Amino acid sequence: NAGVTQTPKFQVLKTGQSMTLQCAQDMNHNSMYWYRQDPGMGLRLIYYSASEGTTDKGEVPNGYNVSRLNKREFSLRLESAAPSQTSVYFCASSKGVGQDSYEQYFGPGTRLTVT
Amino acid sequence: QKEVEQDPGPLSVPEGAIVSLNCTYSNSAFQYFMWYRQYSRKGPELLMYTYSSGNKEDGRFTAQVDKSSKYISLFIRDSQPSDSATYLCAMDSSYKLIFGSGTRLLVRP
Repeated sequence: NAGVTQTPKFQVLKTGQSMTLQCAQDMNHNSMYWYRQDPGMGLRLIYYSASEGTTDKGEVPNGYNVSRLNKREFSLRLESAAPSQTSVYFCASSKGVGQDSYEQYFGPGTRLTVT
Repeated sequence: QKEVEQDPGPLSVPEGAIVSLNCTYSNSAFQYFMWYRQYSRKGPELLMYTYSSGNKEDGRFTAQVDKSSKYISLFIRDSQPSDSATYLCAMDSSYKLIFGSGTRLLVRP
């Protein structure tokens, strides 16, 4: 089992460009999450999907959109990248919500630089 | 003020030392308290979690929660160089997690 996979691993964008970060999990988990990690700020939740067909905003959703394509895949889109979106992005999954959401499995991350 | 505060470190200790990592929080509604470990350039992984107050032990690791002081700790006994990583505390908030910013730990051989 690969667990949680993310593509790409690295990306450099110019301001105003768009891109989609891909995430897939093979653990048959119901819930999936997108976080960004910045120095001194910890992990901040961007969007999450409690189950297939649902998505909800997290702490820092502005400038992002998400799609829960199916149970396995959850993508994050930057429509018009800004330098403030330079960060490391992590996708995570969990069995479900409630207590099941506290054990999250993380992917290896995507390092994004916006110039 | 952040809901969860954590000293960023780095904390440097010799191999074999007892390590104490701590977080403070402001929201008394938190019930579940997690510790995640993150190696350099990797995603975090869950180490252990506790419910409400008290202690929980798992091998060399002990998690402690003091809800009256809004303070949680992770103790590592007989620390090893392989324990060198960033440790993030996390707490439950409406089916989501609020993470601390992490403490970087370096265990010197």
